[in-house]
Amino acid sequence: QKEVEQDPGPLSVPEGAIVSLNCTYSNSAFQYFMWYRQYSRKGPELLMYTYSSGNKEDGRFTAQVDKSSKYISLFIRDSQPSDSATYLCATRSGGSYIPTFGRGTSLIVHP
Amino acid sequence: DAGVTQSPTHLIKTRGQHVTLRCSPISGHKSVSWYQQVLGQGPQFIFQYYEKEERGRGNFPDRFSARQFPNYSSELNVNALLLGDSALYLCASSLDATGPPGELFFGEGSRLTVL
Repeated sequence: QKEVEQDPGPLSVPEGAIVSLNCTYSNSAFQYFMWYRQYSRKGPELLMYTYSSGNKEDGRFTAQVDKSSKYISLFIRDSQPSDSATYLCATRSGGSYIPTFGRGTSLIVHP
Repeated sequence: DAGVTQSPTHLIKTRGQHVTLRCSPISGHKSVSWYQQVLGQGPQFIFQYYEKEERGRGNFPDRFSARQFPNYSSELNVNALLLGDSALYLCASSLDATGPPGELFFGEGSRLTVL
């Protein structure tokens, strides 16, 4: 079993839809939870990170962590074609700066 | 300000050859990490360097090696290339080795194809 599981998709939605992207993880020591966006042929860029459980909102993006169920979510409101990319979830423990990545979910937002 | 720069951007090698990939971190960043991203997978950690010392190593064979120079730039070397080494190699820089995840910045990667 991989430490971080993520459905690869692709997930195809119409413009304006609410998108829900999810990951599960297995290591209870993970305390930091990140979402990266990766456009085709580019390096990942950090979108959001949260520490421990709870929600964090940034514009159209909301990150949610439920440590009791080891479940990580990213919600995108009013999705745009420019949101089309691969979204990678990542986690790490407090004692390590090295994140463990999921395989990424490919998102396609069509006009 | 320049971001993380990697070279070369693309390269093609044959099995058994050697490759050197280079990375220049963001100015002022002292930590460099290397990741391998196979098509359809997330980045896999290879090495982390801070102040020219290895701080972490992932589950990769000894054919993979790296170093960091006094100016904080870094090289990743892979010997005896295998077909399975074909991947996007990503370099990430950060101010230090233990900062919050918001400080990890990735380059655009070097895409290696092994024939």
